Amino acid sequence: DAKTTQPTSMDCAEGRAANLPCNHSTISGNEYVYWYRQIHSQGPQYIIHGLKNNETNEMASLIITEDRKSSTLILPHATLRDTAVYYCIVRATGANSKLTFGKGITLSVRP
Amino acid sequence: DGGITQSPKYLFRKEGQNVTLSCEQNLNHDAMYWYRQDPGQGLRLIYYSQIVNDFQKGDIAEGYSVSREKKESFPLTVTSAQKNPTAFYLCASSIAQAGETQYFGPGTRLLVL
Repeated sequence: DAKTTQPTSMDCAEGRAANLPCNHSTISGNEYVYWYRQIHSQGPQYIIHGLKNNETNEMASLIITEDRKSSTLILPHATLRDTAVYYCIVRATGANSKLTFGKGITLSVRP
Repeated sequence: DGGITQSPKYLFRKEGQNVTLSCEQNLNHDAMYWYRQDPGQGLRLIYYSQIVNDFQKGDIAEGYSVSREKKESFPLTVTSAQKNPTAFYLCASSIAQAGETQYFGPGTRLLVL
């Protein structure tokens, strides 16, 4: 059962901001939004996560709508090395809570 | 350098053989996980372990077995009962399973000859 919906793919120009959307309309109050990315033939890399407040770290910003039914991952200045599959995951924090990876969105950064 | 290592990077198996994939971590993490990824697909959970000498089945455990004799190590055996073993296998670890961020190794690609 898919808890998140993401577009299949998108592209952006190098140096511009990449805004990756995610819908999670059935999210529960104790569920966080996580973002991972996977560069081809490598293991997934953790990017950021949040509950309801916007979050920022050295890699990206996460904007969560007030109703928490959708979020956007922002890469402020995309580079060619940001080309990857990005996974938006909804996950509770209790015991036996697992990460469920869907197909993600393929971001292509063009020169 | 702390991290998760998986070996080998590529592994070839003849039909009917068991093979074991290695996963080691020096992050002092309690929980470890094995995932399988097929081309163009997301990750699916095979087994996970919250503590030494304990592990639970994930969504697709049939044809696989694991052990957790040491905190640092969580080897995965792909048995001959796994009918479609060709895939990319990923190991991950976290401080504790209850909501902590999982960190992944580089993966092992298994090919059946």
